[in-house]
Amino acid sequence: GAGVSQSPRYKVAKRGQDVALRCDPISGHVSLFWYQQALGQGPEFLTYFQNEAQLDKSGLPSDRFFAERPEGSVSTLKIQRTQQEDSAVYLCASSFADEQFFGPGTRLTVL
Amino acid sequence: ILNVEQSPQSLHVQEGDSTNFTCSFPSSNFYALHWYRWETAKSPEALFVMTLNGDEKKKGRISATLNTKEGYSYLYIKGSQPEDSATYLCASPTAFGNEKLTFGTGTRLTIIP
Repeated sequence: GAGVSQSPRYKVAKRGQDVALRCDPISGHVSLFWYQQALGQGPEFLTYFQNEAQLDKSGLPSDRFFAERPEGSVSTLKIQRTQQEDSAVYLCASSFADEQFFGPGTRLTVL
Repeated sequence: ILNVEQSPQSLHVQEGDSTNFTCSFPSSNFYALHWYRWETAKSPEALFVMTLNGDEKKKGRISATLNTKEGYSYLYIKGSQPEDSATYLCASPTAFGNEKLTFGTGTRLTIIP
C-alpha cells in the first residue's frame, strides 16, 4: 500500500514481557518518528530517525525503550520488561518534507 | 517546553449544525500549526498546515484560521455530518526546521444523527 503501516495493530502483554512494534514507512521517506499516546492525552514524541541515524531520542521514557531503523526504512520500537504505564497507542509517522504521514498505531495493553 | 492546548475536550453536535473549536499555542517562536483528523481505528489524517498570520485554509466543509500574534487557531466545520465524528488534533513543531511535533490533547467530536 501507499501509506504507513504498523504491526501488530493490537498487542496484549503480561507485565514484564518484552514487545516489539514494527513500522513500515512510505517508501523514500527519509524521516521517521515514533509517538506515544496515553489515554486522554495527545500523542507525545518518543524518537526521530533520519535514514538510519537516530537523531533524537529525548522522548523515550526510560532505558527500557529502544528503537532502531538499521537500513533506513523499516523501524522497530522495542519495550523491555513492560509495565502497566506503558499501555498506550504507539504511532509511527514518516515524512519527506514538512508533512508527517501517520500509521494507524499499535494499541499496547499491559496486564 | 512548548505548550499546545485544545478546547473543548469533547463536543456533541447535531447533524447539520456547524461547529468550531480552538487550538492555542505560545505566540513567541511560532513556526507552523498542523491540524489532523483521527477517526477511530484509522490513521491520523493531515487536514492543514498553516504558517502565516491571518492564514485561512479550506477543505470541503472544513476550514481553519490562524492568528499567530495572539496564539490561536480555529477549526470550523460547516453542516456537520456523521462522518465528521473523530478526534481533531493540532500540533506545532518545537523549533524551526525541527519536524518533531508537540500535540494538543485533541477535541473529540461526536455528530448526533
